[in-house]
Amino acid sequence: GAVVSQHPSWVICKSGTSVKIECRSLDFQATTMFWYRQFPKQSLMLMATSNEGSKATYEQGVEKDKFLINHASLTLSTLTVTSAHPEDSSFYICSASRTALNQPQHFGDGTRLSIL
Amino acid sequence: EDKVVQSPLSLVVHEGDTVTLNCSYEVTNFRSLLWYKQEKKAPTFLFMLTSSGIEKKSGRLSSILDKKELFSILNITATQTGDSAVYLCAATDSWGKLQFGAGTQVVVTP
Repeated sequence: GAVVSQHPSWVICKSGTSVKIECRSLDFQATTMFWYRQFPKQSLMLMATSNEGSKATYEQGVEKDKFLINHASLTLSTLTVTSAHPEDSSFYICSASRTALNQPQHFGDGTRLSIL
Repeated sequence: EDKVVQSPLSLVVHEGDTVTLNCSYEVTNFRSLLWYKQEKKAPTFLFMLTSSGIEKKSGRLSSILDKKELFSILNITATQTGDSAVYLCAATDSWGKLQFGAGTQVVVTP
């Protein structure tokens, strides 16, 4: 089956730091990847759609200058949380699906971000 | 506004019981309905349903979609403690974006 790798799995850092999270599709190409955020006891909320070779599409209420997304290749998308603050602490998850239409999204293991 | 509603929000059952989880959806340009299982990390894929009335099975799990009534159910038979998890339902639109429900927390007791 499809495998999506996300790194790092856990980050603890000081307020004001920028944090980069990587999402890789290991055995397939993905022109589109998605970034989600999940707070405790809540469901996943889509933050943005990452498109290979073009700008990401952000959901309403998500600051694009705060959450920088780069999708430089068909197997890698990165999310950078810039100048992170404690309220940015959350579980961030990426997903990807094969380029062909109507394929299920598979998720990375997620990154738990804790800002002190 | 698009929405996906799951019920119940949580339930506790004994090993061996059968559980039925419900998911209703209202999504513009609906394309497919997916079920995921989430334990401590990110969701793992269970089923993707695109056609009405065709049951999909995987071991003790099965699911079916009703596109006329806009709902899906996930059944788990002969539950085991390893089935304890949050089960997420999500609907995709024509762009492939997933809209998730709040999830159903299932606890299976020995």
